[in-house]
Formats: sequence, C-alpha cells, structure tokens
Amino acid sequence: GAVVSQHPSRVICKSGTSVKIECRSLDFQATTMFWYRQFPKKSLMLMATSNEGSKATYEQGVEKDKFLINHASLTLSTLTVTSAHPEDSSFYICSARTSSSLGELFFGEGSRLTVL
Amino acid sequence: AQRVTQPEKLLSVFKGAPVELKCNYSYSGSPELFWYVQYSRQRLQLLLRHISRESIKGFTADLNKGETSFHLKKPFAQEEDSAMYYCALKAGTYKYIFGTGTRLKVLA
Repeated sequence: GAVVSQHPSRVICKSGTSVKIECRSLDFQATTMFWYRQFPKKSLMLMATSNEGSKATYEQGVEKDKFLINHASLTLSTLTVTSAHPEDSSFYICSARTSSSLGELFFGEGSRLTVL
Repeated sequence: AQRVTQPEKLLSVFKGAPVELKCNYSYSGSPELFWYVQYSRQRLQLLLRHISRESIKGFTADLNKGETSFHLKKPFAQEEDSAMYYCALKAGTYKYIFGTGTRLKVLA
C-alpha cells in the first residue's frame, strides 16, 4: 500500500519559535495532502487541504498565518507552526490519497509538538 | 450541512460480545463512507469502505441511506479490536469529513 511519512515524529520547541513538519508520500505522487490536528481526547480536526503548486485551503477557524502550509512538490507538503505557543502543543497528522485509491486516505505516523 | 456524528466517545464491551459503533452522516449528495481505525501507537488506517461491501477483521458496515447511517458491527469482539475508530465521509473529490471518533475497549 501507499506510504506516507512524517518528520519529525516528536519536536520540542520554545515559545515564540517556529517549527516545520514534513509530510512525504514515499511511493506515490500526491497532488493533495491533508493536515489534521488530533486532540487529547483523540478528536481529529481537519486543519487544511494542501494542493501542489497552489495555496492551501484552510478550514474555518484555522489561522493561515499561524499554520503555514507549503506543497512544493508532488511528494512533499510542509506545515510550519509560526511563533509557537504552548496551546499549539498537539499531535499533527497528515494524509494523502493516490489517484487510484478509491478515495482511501493514507496517513502519516503523526508528529507530536510540545511548546515550552 | 455536511457532518459526521459518532455519538459514543467510549464503548466498552466484553470479549465475545457483539459490537456496534454508531455513525450518522448528513450530506446532500451521494455519500462515500469509510471506517478508519487507529490502534495504540499506530497510525490511522483504513478499515473498510462502504463501496467495497467487504468484511475486514470480522467487521462489517452497511450504508443505510434512509437512516443516513453507517454503523460498524462485529458479532464477537476480540481484545485486539480495542482501538479508536473514526467514521469518515468523502464529500467531494478532496473533502473528507471525520467524526470525532469512538474508543472501543474490549474487556477480557
């Protein structure tokens, strides 16, 4: 099956700094990737849809300037949390679909961000 | 409005008992529905999709358009079924809506 990889799996940063999380499709091209935030009670919230070569589409309530998404190639999307604060601490997950996956999404392993 | 509702945050059953995880959706178009599962310390993965009409690990789910439901069922729960289950609606080419998830605990 298709593989999606995220890096780093864990990151700790100081408040006010920026952190970049990468999402790669290892064995397929993904024109569209999705970024989620998973909360402590495991609720999964879609943050934005990342489109290769164009601007991301953000969900209502998600700050575009806070969570910068770049999808520079067909195999890489990045999420940058800018000026991170402790409330940004969370588990961030990306997913992608192939052109022939019958709608199935393939998920990354997630990235745990802790902002001190 | 496009919405997926999973009313139960936690469902505890004993091993060998039947399991039903509820999922209701709201969508004006023709729905495509999925169940995803997240085992402890693992990534989310597809469990089954309604168009395949398949049984995976003993789980089945039938799309009921009249009741706008896609409940996940298994006749005899096993301990290894303990996980977080998400119902998802594909509401467009690039739009997926997930429910809030149900944690299934299968007790020995």
